Amino acid sequence: DAKTTQPPSMDCAEGRAANLPCNHSTISGNEYVYWYRQIHSQGPQYIIHGLKNNETNEMASLIITEDRKSSTLILPHATLRDTAVYYCIVGYKAGNQFYFGTGTSLTVIP
Amino acid sequence: DAGVIQSPRHEVTEMGQEVTLRCKPISGHNSLFWYRQTMMRGLELLIYFNNNVPIDDSGMPEDRFSAKMPNASFSTLKIQPSEPRDSAVYFCASSFTGPLGYGYTFGSGTRLTVV
Repeated sequence: DAKTTQPPSMDCAEGRAANLPCNHSTISGNEYVYWYRQIHSQGPQYIIHGLKNNETNEMASLIITEDRKSSTLILPHATLRDTAVYYCIVGYKAGNQFYFGTGTSLTVIP
Repeated sequence: DAGVIQSPRHEVTEMGQEVTLRCKPISGHNSLFWYRQTMMRGLELLIYFNNNVPIDDSGMPEDRFSAKMPNASFSTLKIQPSEPRDSAVYFCASSFTGPLGYGYTFGSGTRLTVV
């Protein structure tokens, strides 16, 4: 069962940073935070994950609060191709049994 | 690497018929997952395998659904008999489960329509 809460939808202007929040107040000490996105009709795509430290890769940055009860995915310069549903998931790295919630539908506006 | 390969991409069948969906995971991945996605219920985990062994099939909706993984490079999801409410997009995903694993790679999905 999904253990995260995300806003159902967000808009972002093209070229601006998109900040997608996620609450995971019941996260346990060994659980990671993962982010995926699903562009219409495609399979979900892995974006980034982290345990307690902030992480950055070529796609995005992940900011995790010190108490680990929430996190923010940052797309630094959103493009129209970033329009998708973004899923925040918590899970054990070794177990990798993921349950997807309803996600946030991000619309990037020209 | 070609990624996770699913076939067919689209399937239209009549109610009562048997449907078999196929998945080839990424070579070297040791876990495989079947998901179903509908507008009403979102992405649902149906079953997952680790090292070809079914670990948790609690998400399989009914006995009409069955999944197998005869070897590390192939899995099937079968629905027999199919019903209109089975219409959905079925995704297969694979991952390397372990300390160095980082997440799933999904296939492109099979869109199933049961009429």
